[in-house]
Amino acid sequence: TQLLEQSPQFLSIQEGENLTVYCNSSSVFSSLQWYRQEPGEGPVLLVTVVTGGEVKKLKRLTFQFGDARKDSSLHITAAQTGDTGLYLCAGRQGGSEKLVFGKGTKLTVNP
Amino acid sequence: GAGVSQSPSNKVTEKGKDVELRCDPISGHTALYWYRQSLGQGLEFLIYFQGNSAPDKSGLPSDRFSAERTGGSVSTLTIQRTQQEDSAVYLCASSFYLAGGRGQFFGPGTRLTVL
Repeated sequence: TQLLEQSPQFLSIQEGENLTVYCNSSSVFSSLQWYRQEPGEGPVLLVTVVTGGEVKKLKRLTFQFGDARKDSSLHITAAQTGDTGLYLCAGRQGGSEKLVFGKGTKLTVNP
Repeated sequence: GAGVSQSPSNKVTEKGKDVELRCDPISGHTALYWYRQSLGQGLEFLIYFQGNSAPDKSGLPSDRFSAERTGGSVSTLTIQRTQQEDSAVYLCASSFYLAGGRGQFFGPGTRLTVL
């Protein structure tokens, strides 16, 4: 059983379109992070959300943490080809240092 | 460089052989993590070090897997008697202890192929 379910698994869109990817769980997380990974490289942290209902913006990317701290979403406005990559959500439970990762959403933005 | 480095970048081995994977964390980072990433799977936690001790090794799949960290710096992940199902990318990450929002910094990984 996957603790963090990400959807969709694959997403292919045209440059300029908007998109949302989701990260869902039946468990509560003390914090949730989004990473982006490119082929042959390790994941790179995009954002951390901690408070239920929190919204953070990073240029064209908007991240939201659910009120109950069980789910999160990532919205990209006017996608660019440089946004192509694997987007991973990862959660931390309680005081644990261990991160639990979802399987990821592979995004392809076509020119 | 200033990032996390891992070696080798690729390793091909025969079933039954032992392999050692190395991780050099960012200088000053006290926490070090090992993950495994298989095709179609997310990152699977293996073990975490704080300094030289491992408070959480719950993700090690079997007793064929072991890891150590020396001098609060370099870490080695050893897989004994490798099996084909061990084929994956092994990722190392480091952070300050209780990193919280500062996240983990990942290396590029070691791609292990067991024939």
